Amino acid sequence: EPEVTQTPSHQVTQMGQEVILRCVPISNHLYFYWYRQILGQKVEFLVSFYNNEISEKSEIFDDQFSVERPDGSNFTLKIRSTKLEDSAMYFCASSENRGHGYTFGSGTRLTVV
Amino acid sequence: DAKTTQPTSMDCAEGRAANLPCNHSTISGNEYVYWYRQIHSQGPQYIIHGLKNNETNEMASLIITEDRKSSTLILPHATLRDTAVYYCIVKSQETSGSRLTFGEGTQLTVNP
Repeated sequence: EPEVTQTPSHQVTQMGQEVILRCVPISNHLYFYWYRQILGQKVEFLVSFYNNEISEKSEIFDDQFSVERPDGSNFTLKIRSTKLEDSAMYFCASSENRGHGYTFGSGTRLTVV
Repeated sequence: DAKTTQPTSMDCAEGRAANLPCNHSTISGNEYVYWYRQIHSQGPQYIIHGLKNNETNEMASLIITEDRKSSTLILPHATLRDTAVYYCIVKSQETSGSRLTFGEGTQLTVNP
């Protein structure tokens, strides 16, 4: 069964550093998403991406965050200057279209120290 | 998107059917009901979705009431691996970004 692949599985970074979280969505999917889950809290939407541009973003997705699809296979989330409160599991997801179920990756655990 | 209400937790015996209810009384005509689950901090997993007809796939069945104000996810023969948090989410397919809004969900525990 096709999978969404996320790397790394765990990243530790110092406060103020830039991090890039990487995702390889399913190859024939057109819609891409980032979600995050702070430990013990709900899964939260960050951003959706379609046709090489952001289609929707949440209040969390401020100027510190950016997304990119640098080639035909990768989808990245960049956090420019990490804060302690950015510590969370970050999940990438993709879908064939808006109506289909999303396939989520297994996540990247980001720890900001 | 309409709000959903689910019980906080449920228990089920292994091998028995698990019936997970969801109330979505403010659902509008173009909104679908989606079910996802999350097994212990793994990524959420899509289960099934529907608009008004009952749906079945290899994982589960979805029963939506005629007035569409509530639904039930049925796992016909629950196994220990089905222990997870189950999320009922109502979403329009017409929304440009189609975000999923996760609530607290129902913690289903399947007991041996």
